[in-house]
Amino acid sequence: EIVLTQSPDTLSLSPGERATLSCRASKSVGTYLAWYQQKPGQAPRLLMYDAITRASDIPARFSGSGSGTDFTLTISSLEPEDLAVYYCQQRSNWPTFGGGTKVEIK
Amino acid sequence: DVQLVESGGGLIKPGGSLTLSCSASGFTFNKAWMSWVRQAPGKGLEWVGRSRSKIDGGTTDYAAPAKGRFTISRDDSKNMLFLQMHSLKTEDTAVYYCTRDHRRGSQDEPDALDVWGHGTMVIVS
Repeated sequence: EIVLTQSPDTLSLSPGERATLSCRASKSVGTYLAWYQQKPGQAPRLLMYDAITRASDIPARFSGSGSGTDFTLTISSLEPEDLAVYYCQQRSNWPTFGGGTKVEIK
Repeated sequence: DVQLVESGGGLIKPGGSLTLSCSASGFTFNKAWMSWVRQAPGKGLEWVGRSRSKIDGGTTDYAAPAKGRFTISRDDSKNMLFLQMHSLKTEDTAVYYCTRDHRRGSQDEPDALDVWGHGTMVIVS
C-alpha cells in the first residue's frame, strides 16, 4: 500500500497570503495524484487531478505541481472561503488518501 | 446537473447489516465507474470499494477492511448504486460518500473521484 504523508498538519495564514501544501508518497505514483478540498460540514470536492490539472470550475489561484513522490498544492492568494481541509489521493492498486492539511484563515 | 444522493444510513447494532443506496443523475450512469468512500468522525477519507461499469466487466474491488463483509452492486436501469454491509463493527461508524470515478479515457484506470454525494451517516453502536 502506498502511504501519503501530508504536511503541515495545520496552516494558519492571512487573506492574500500564499499557501503551500505538501504531499509525499512512500513510492512513486508518477503524476497520478489528486487533491480535494473539504469545507466544514461539506463533502469533499475535487480540486486537481494528474497532479497539475484543475477540475471543472476550480479557480485559477489553485495550482498543483510535482511528480514521483513529492507534490505541492499552492493557493496563490488565500481567500476567506478557502478555509478547509485539503487531502491528496493516489490511485495505484487502490486509492489511498493523505491525512489532510487544515488551512486556517487568520 | 450532475448529482449523487445517498440514503439508508442510520443507527445499527454491532453485528448487524445495513444497505446504503446512491441515486445518480445528470450523467450516463451505465458507463460510469463508481466508488464508496467513508470518513469516520473527525478523521480522514478512506476508500471502501469500486464498481466498474458492465461494459468494462462489471467487477468490483474492495479495500481490506471491507472485503468479505461489504458488497457493492448497481442497478443501471434505475441509475442506482448500493453498498450492502454485514457484520458491522463499531469502527465502521462513518459518513459514507458515493462518488464517481474520473478517468482520462475509456481505456484508462480511474485517477480521481470527480463527483461526490453529500454522504449518509452510519453509526454502529
